Amino acid sequence: DTGVSQDPRHKITKRGQNVTFRCDPISEHNRLYWYRQTLGQGPEFLTYFQNEAQLEKSRLLSDRFSAERPKGSFSTLEIQRTEQGDSAMYLCASSFAGGDEQFFGPGTRLTVL
Amino acid sequence: RKEVEQDPGPFNVPEGATVAFNCTYSNSASQSFFWYRQDCRKEPKLLMSVYSSGNEDGRFTAQLNRASQYISLLIRDSKLSDSATYLCAVNEGYQKVTFGTGTKLQVIP
Repeated sequence: DTGVSQDPRHKITKRGQNVTFRCDPISEHNRLYWYRQTLGQGPEFLTYFQNEAQLEKSRLLSDRFSAERPKGSFSTLEIQRTEQGDSAMYLCASSFAGGDEQFFGPGTRLTVL
Repeated sequence: RKEVEQDPGPFNVPEGATVAFNCTYSNSASQSFFWYRQDCRKEPKLLMSVYSSGNEDGRFTAQLNRASQYISLLIRDSKLSDSATYLCAVNEGYQKVTFGTGTKLQVIP
């Protein structure tokens, strides 16, 4: 499968714990995006990388959220001190540098108890 | 006003019908536009890009009206398998893509 992959697919955690998600983009894509989606809403932009550089970050993203893409390949999204309001589907997408079309991974569904 | 607005529906249509959805956007500088399909508890899948005056792919036609700041999606000869949520997405520049809340379509036998 050469699509975007995400791990884990599901994560249940207790409030206050830290969680980390991984995204592996399509191999020839150098742009990578993170989104959050809650029930009945469209995906909400969180952040964007071109290669290893984080070029855009949503103002809605609190300091508890951090994302990295150290070698310009896979990316991780960490949430510290999780809150119940963090429960959502976290989606990763990737695209070519010269194109706008984004292709999504299957998502990580986070439940914070 | 929301940046990208869609009628949430649901649109309940019989098989074989033609159905159209609209999506309005507020940022006149928006550069590119997309329609995605999302099945329940799955990721969005790119359906069509809409770059200029519109495009067609089989039973699906997308149109862009820059003057009125909306895009539309027309589905002809609806199939049961078309039942899904249709998300419009707008690239406002600098790779910031804003999605609408989606329009739910249910095709009825």
